[in-house]
Amino acid sequence: DARVTQTPRHKVTEMGQEVTMRCQPILGHNTVFWYRQTMMQGLELLAYFRNRAPLDDSGMPKDRFSAEMPDATLATLKIQPSEPRDSAVYFCASGSILAGKNNSPLHFGNGTRLTVT
Amino acid sequence: GESVGLHLPTLSVQEGDNSIINCAYSNSASDYFIWYKQESGKGPQFIIDIRSNMDKRQGQRVTVLLNKTVKHLSLQIAATQPGDSAVYFCAEIPITGRRALTFGSGTRLQVQP
Repeated sequence: DARVTQTPRHKVTEMGQEVTMRCQPILGHNTVFWYRQTMMQGLELLAYFRNRAPLDDSGMPKDRFSAEMPDATLATLKIQPSEPRDSAVYFCASGSILAGKNNSPLHFGNGTRLTVT
Repeated sequence: GESVGLHLPTLSVQEGDNSIINCAYSNSASDYFIWYKQESGKGPQFIIDIRSNMDKRQGQRVTVLLNKTVKHLSLQIAATQPGDSAVYFCAEIPITGRRALTFGSGTRLQVQP
């Protein structure tokens, strides 16, 4: 049963520290998304990649957040320096989305719960 | 468990009853819609999807209805079970521009035994 894998599941860190979250998308999926979920804002899109190329990162604070896909089996989301307001659950999702054509639903990992103190 | 929304609307139903969860979407240019279920401590889980050229689609115990005229989506769950208790999100993808899922705010379904 293919699934999106995220690590770590939980991360507690102090303000100012660097945080790296990792995601292994489902093999064969060409699109990877990063979402953030908070009580107040719900699910917000941070960034997404197609065929490992960044397509949109307009939802991400550029000064501290960065997202990369070093290869097809790994996506990373990094926060440096982290701040208390970054505390949230960060989800990775993968799917097969083709421009102008039928899409498949996104499959989500179980998230990384980040707490910045 | 994780919190997915402090002020989520809540639908409370009796086990065995049918549930209807509604969603108003914002983008008239959206062409693909999905319902997700999220349980505590987990990521959103795909339930059912529908494309804009359809107005109804059925799955196992679930039916999605799409009314493009009023930009309304609904999820019907037949014979609701305690395991259906979760937060339900509708999501849409526009036909042009940013082809990424935009999520609604969610509805909490509570099933009373």
